[in-house]
Amino acid sequence: EVELLESGGGLVQPGGSLRLSCAVSGFSFSLYAMNWVRQAPGKGLEWVAVIGGDGDRINYADSVEGRFSISRDNSRNTLFLQMSSLRVEDTAIYYCAKDKWGAVGTGTLDSWGQGTPVTVSS
Amino acid sequence: QSALTQPASVSGSPGQSITISCSGTSKDVGTSELVSWYQQFPGKAPTLIIFQGTKRASGVSDRFSASKSGNTASLTISGLRAEDEADYYCCSFALYKTFFFGGGTRLTVL
Repeated sequence: EVELLESGGGLVQPGGSLRLSCAVSGFSFSLYAMNWVRQAPGKGLEWVAVIGGDGDRINYADSVEGRFSISRDNSRNTLFLQMSSLRVEDTAIYYCAKDKWGAVGTGTLDSWGQGTPVTVSS
Repeated sequence: QSALTQPASVSGSPGQSITISCSGTSKDVGTSELVSWYQQFPGKAPTLIIFQGTKRASGVSDRFSASKSGNTASLTISGLRAEDEADYYCCSFALYKTFFFGGGTRLTVL
């Protein structure tokens, strides 16, 4: 059974940093692209970033480019999102999600974690 | 970058059919074979229901179907049931290897 478990969320002040983790099991992690998707309170889904299976093919949404960094450790079956220069508008639930098709991201997300909440507030 | 356009809400009575549209551009929906649809219940993570534009994900009822015409994708739910009440999101692969979600549609079963 595929499982994704996010952690690392919490309360942080504007301008601060936070590192999210997503531990996965139940599939060959290195063979699949992984994504972060967020959802602000009462709002819709926003794709944040994608990373290829080998740790290459990285892309970001314009809203986080230059502030967030996605990475992965295939030996530990773990996905990361390093967030810096955080803004109030980054407040959201952050989900990690597995791509359905393989090592290159396609935006077809067939497994999701339950999310970790991030609140940016002074 | 901008989100794909979906109606904020749709509603229907049990047994009826409803269609949710997802409007994009020639840089995303219009040229992408990778339009997907997600269902989300309150407080829960989204789940994939449609991929590659028209294919149902494993375990998804055949009451769910999807199509695309030009720059607009559509999700149709037939034989509406109370348990279909949820938020629905479209997503499209776009140029420059990024992805966009639609703004989401709240489905109310009357």
